[in-house]
Amino acid sequence: DQQVKQNSPSLSVQEGRISILNCDYTNSMFDYFLWYKKYPAEGPTFLISISSIKDKNEDGRFTVFLNKSAKHLSLHIVPSQPGDSAVYFCAASATGGANNLFFGTGTRLTVIP
Amino acid sequence: DAGVIQSPRHEVTEMGQEVTLRCKPISGHDYLFWYRQTMMRGLELLIYFNNNVPIDDSGMPEDRFSAKMPNASFSTLKIQPSEPRDSAVYFCASSLQRDRKYEQYFGPGTRLTVT
Repeated sequence: DQQVKQNSPSLSVQEGRISILNCDYTNSMFDYFLWYKKYPAEGPTFLISISSIKDKNEDGRFTVFLNKSAKHLSLHIVPSQPGDSAVYFCAASATGGANNLFFGTGTRLTVIP
Repeated sequence: DAGVIQSPRHEVTEMGQEVTLRCKPISGHDYLFWYRQTMMRGLELLIYFNNNVPIDDSGMPEDRFSAKMPNASFSTLKIQPSEPRDSAVYFCASSLQRDRKYEQYFGPGTRLTVT
C-alpha cells in the first residue's frame, strides 16, 4: 500500500508562473518530509526538506508547506523556470524509527517557455 | 567526491539469466539503499544496509533477488533468474545519519531490460 501519494502524474506551467506540486501521506508516524528532483537518465537529487515541527520551509524559489492535520504537503516553485522541468518525488520518514524513506510515484513538471 | 557510482548503466539480458548490479556509495556514508523505479509504483525500497549489515529486506520482491555489502565501499544486487517483469531502473543511494538529516544521495541508476 502506497503510504505517500502524488495524485497528479503531470503538471504544465508557464515560465514565470507558480508551480504547485502536491503530496499526501497516510502514516501519522511520518515526521520528516523531503522533495527530490529527477532529470532523465540521472538519479534523484535532494531539493528541500521539512520537519513536522514546522509548517513552512523556504529555500530560494522553493517553498515546502506542511499541513499535518490534513497529512498533506506541497512544493511551491516561484517563479518557475524551464530548467525546473523534471520529475519531482515527495518522500517521508519516521525519524524515530528506521532511516528509510517512503517515496511517492512522482509528478512530471513541464515549464513552458 | 565522485558521488554514488553504479555499474553498469544499462543492462540487457535474456529471461533466465543472472544479473548483477553494482554500487559504490559515497565514502564515509553509513547507510546504503537499493531502490527500483517503475511507472506504476514509483521508487520502491528493496533493501537497505547500515554499516554493511542488512537491516530491512522486506521490499525484495522474491527469493530471486539478493543483495550483499561485503565492505563499506561496495554493494551488489543480484537477480537470478531474471524475468521480463524485472525490467526497471534500479537505483543505489547512500546517506550519513547525522544531525537528524535524512537526505539520501542517489547514483545515476542502472536501466535493466529483460527480454
